[in-house]
Amino acid sequence: EVQLLESGGGLVQPGGSLRLSCAASGFTFSSYAMRWVRQAPGKGLEWVSGISGSGGNTYYADSVKGRFTISRDNSKNTLYLQMNSLRAEDTAVYYCAKDQFSEWMEYAMDVWGQGTTVTVSS
Amino acid sequence: EIVLRQSPGTLSLSPGERATLSCRASQSVSNRYLAWYQQKPGQAPRLLIYGASSRATGIPDRFSGSGSGTDFTLTISRLEPEDFAVYYCQQYGSSPTTFGQGTKVEIK
Repeated sequence: EVQLLESGGGLVQPGGSLRLSCAASGFTFSSYAMRWVRQAPGKGLEWVSGISGSGGNTYYADSVKGRFTISRDNSKNTLYLQMNSLRAEDTAVYYCAKDQFSEWMEYAMDVWGQGTTVTVSS
Repeated sequence: EIVLRQSPGTLSLSPGERATLSCRASQSVSNRYLAWYQQKPGQAPRLLIYGASSRATGIPDRFSGSGSGTDFTLTISRLEPEDFAVYYCQQYGSSPTTFGQGTKVEIK
């Protein structure tokens, strides 16, 4: 069964850091691009970041550029999101999601994790 | 970036009725790269439709998508109790990928 399982969320003070992980199983992890999508409380979906299958190409939303870093370890089938200089507006449920067909970020997202909650508050 | 506007914001219908959801883009969506997702409270989004009109694996045929250019539609032919949820459109034809604000389908 194809599965994604996020972890690493929690409560952090403004200006702090957090590292999210997403463990993948049931598919050839390195063959697919991966993305992080977040959802603030009561709000819609917002794409945050994406990474190619090899990890050689990374992409960021303007709202997190320079503060967040996406990476992956294909030997461990794990995706990461390092979040620094966190702000209150980063408070959200963070989902990892798999590209439907490709190692590039070309298609829809066909598998999603259950999400991990990040709360930025003093 | 492409802005997606979904309408209506809320759709109040009864089980068995037909639901028609709209997604309008600020610019033409390349290659009809438009997806629809369903999200229920406390759950992750689920891919329903990709490429504007192709159903994802395991999606019942009461869900259908149509459209091109800037205007897209998700139709649920006969609402089942489990279909009451929030629906999002997403374009992935241009970078950055963007989502609509969502349409809530609620029980009347």
